[in-house]
Amino acid sequence: GNSVTQMEGPVTLSEEAFLTINCTYTATGYPSLFWYVQYPGEGLQLLLKATKADDKGSNKGFEATYRKETTSFHLEKGSVQVSDSAVYFCALGVPYGNQFYFGTGTSLTVIP
Amino acid sequence: ETGVTQTPRHLVMGMTNKKSLKCEQHLGHNAMYWYKQSAKKPLELMFVYNFKEQTENNSVPSRFSPECPNSSHLFLHLHTLQPEDSALYLCASSQDISSRRGPYEQYFGPGTRLTVT
Repeated sequence: GNSVTQMEGPVTLSEEAFLTINCTYTATGYPSLFWYVQYPGEGLQLLLKATKADDKGSNKGFEATYRKETTSFHLEKGSVQVSDSAVYFCALGVPYGNQFYFGTGTSLTVIP
Repeated sequence: ETGVTQTPRHLVMGMTNKKSLKCEQHLGHNAMYWYKQSAKKPLELMFVYNFKEQTENNSVPSRFSPECPNSSHLFLHLHTLQPEDSALYLCASSQDISSRRGPYEQYFGPGTRLTVT
């Protein structure tokens, strides 16, 4: 079946620290992989995506590479800011029926 | 209004009440979704509609009743809820899901925070 496992939080970092949030998946077929971000009081917003193996998604300084050999899609950012404080969700999407499978979310707090 | 809007943003209801959640999308999409978000659990897909037709019902209890009168509006009617139904209910929309070219990004509303007392 399809599922996503992401590291549990919460994660607390100092400003300008390096961020990694781990995400692994199991899937049948050829899914696309996504990272969504949820700021306080808001819905989920797409942060980045990758549609096939070895693709790298990037946005706002965040990056993630679709690794089929390790079934992973880890989120990284070289220097976090206070404004990056949010909950991050890894997700797997399949084309038929547009079903998405989300992880449990990882809460990130960046302190000045 | 732009994107996906949801009303009300907060709702407190007793177990014997009947209430409805409303979702509207202004993106020209044809598919709409209801999700339940509970703490420390993955988002749970509840219902999917494509061109107003329900295509998915993930074994949701009958005390939740969806309605999709057109591709822009989605409702979730609630009655005789239980305290464990307290959660954030998220609506999302996307392009038509009958195509095999997906998956398509889902656009989310801000959610309705529901508390059942």
